[in-house]
Amino acid sequence: EAGVAQSPRYKIIEKRQSVAFWCNPISGHATLYWYQQILGQGPKLLIQFQNNGVVDDSQLPKDRFSAERLKGVDSTLKIQPAKLEDSAVYLCASSQRLDSVGEQYFGPGTRLTVT
Amino acid sequence: AQTVTQSQPEMSVQEAETVTLSCTYDTSESDYYLFWYKQPPSRQMILVIRQEAYKQQNATENRFSVNFQKAAKSFSLKISDSQLGDAAMYFCAYRTLNTGNQFYFGTGTSLTVIP
Repeated sequence: EAGVAQSPRYKIIEKRQSVAFWCNPISGHATLYWYQQILGQGPKLLIQFQNNGVVDDSQLPKDRFSAERLKGVDSTLKIQPAKLEDSAVYLCASSQRLDSVGEQYFGPGTRLTVT
Repeated sequence: AQTVTQSQPEMSVQEAETVTLSCTYDTSESDYYLFWYKQPPSRQMILVIRQEAYKQQNATENRFSVNFQKAAKSFSLKISDSQLGDAAMYFCAYRTLNTGNQFYFGTGTSLTVIP
């Protein structure tokens, strides 16, 4: 079974530029999560999708962050414009169903550095 | 809101010895899930063990076991016969069963295994 794929693995941009991250969840997984993990901290949920609908985006800074999950499969997370404090690892995770007992499966993450 | 606290930023253990990582959480819910995740330096997060709150029996996965104290809201992870490959960041996570089924992560414990 292929795991959660993310790209790019690393990205360096200047502040005020824009950036996009891509995630392909495990096949058949209905729920997809985007997390922000700042160095030395635990992951913080940014947005959660169930199929192509948003379940929770309460911690997403909507003035600069946006995310979509077209057709309920792949997802993209965008930051525009980026700030220095956005430097972090962005993790994508998926799980089978919203009500499943199961755990989340994580991708390798995208390390973003904003200079 | 649910919070997860890991009070040990760093721990070390001699190879082949046993170590216990602490986790406490705050919730008013009676049913939920708890997880321990491992994040090696490559940063891909993987599940170590999970516990359903309605189960009184502590979960065990090979060398990994938990001590789940529901009344005390405590969920510690015991690693027996520690191996060099156990060195990683360990995150405790809580999953609510309310609408959205969000995950909440602690700040992590960095485990060093000394040869």
